[in-house]
Amino acid sequence: AQSVTQLGSHVSVSEGALVLLRCNYSSSVPPYLFWYVQYPNQGLQLLLKYTSAATLVKGINGFEAEFKKSETSFHLTKPSAHMSDAAEYFCAVSGTGGGNKLTFGTGTQLKVEL
Amino acid sequence: SAVISQKPSRDICQRGTSLTIQCQVDSQVTMMFWYRQQPGQSLTLIATANQGSEATYESGFVIDKFPISRPNLTFSTLTVSNMSPEDSSIYLCSVRDRTLGTEAFFGQGTRLTVV
Repeated sequence: AQSVTQLGSHVSVSEGALVLLRCNYSSSVPPYLFWYVQYPNQGLQLLLKYTSAATLVKGINGFEAEFKKSETSFHLTKPSAHMSDAAEYFCAVSGTGGGNKLTFGTGTQLKVEL
Repeated sequence: SAVISQKPSRDICQRGTSLTIQCQVDSQVTMMFWYRQQPGQSLTLIATANQGSEATYESGFVIDKFPISRPNLTFSTLTVSNMSPEDSSIYLCSVRDRTLGTEAFFGQGTRLTVV
């Protein structure tokens, strides 16, 4: 069985500050890991993914995440927050089979303040 | 990538009635999934829609309440039956296929309110 844990259901940062959203996973097999973003009244958009290639993954909108097997973590970061980053962020895990379902974390609501 | 169209985008329904949600994909895909997102919550997988056979339901979800059809590789429907206010949620269709990469793609969701 696979699962992800997102620490902090709400994170608030100032515009221009570092964004750090935490995700820890549990998997009995090598996982694929994903970060998705959901803006209000919209579906989910992929930010970035880890699929056993480079451990430091760069995504859209300046986000990146580092896969750390020793810490079973896949934290999402962005050096400088922008107001447009305010949204809900979900970490997800799956097995490496193409048909495997995604299991989502509980989500982190990011608020960006002036 | 895949373009997924869900209909309706939102609806308000009376308790005791049923609503069928449609999901259309612009290419043939191996896997189609249905998720529920309750207000302020994360996504919970309802079932995997299997082409030509019965859907595979997750624990806590049953076919009588959430019948699913998948007549071909580009289309699926989810019905929410005998609705109650507790069924008020966003329902999302998702697809995954090796030809599209490793990630899953999502529709815009159907926002259902049961009164």
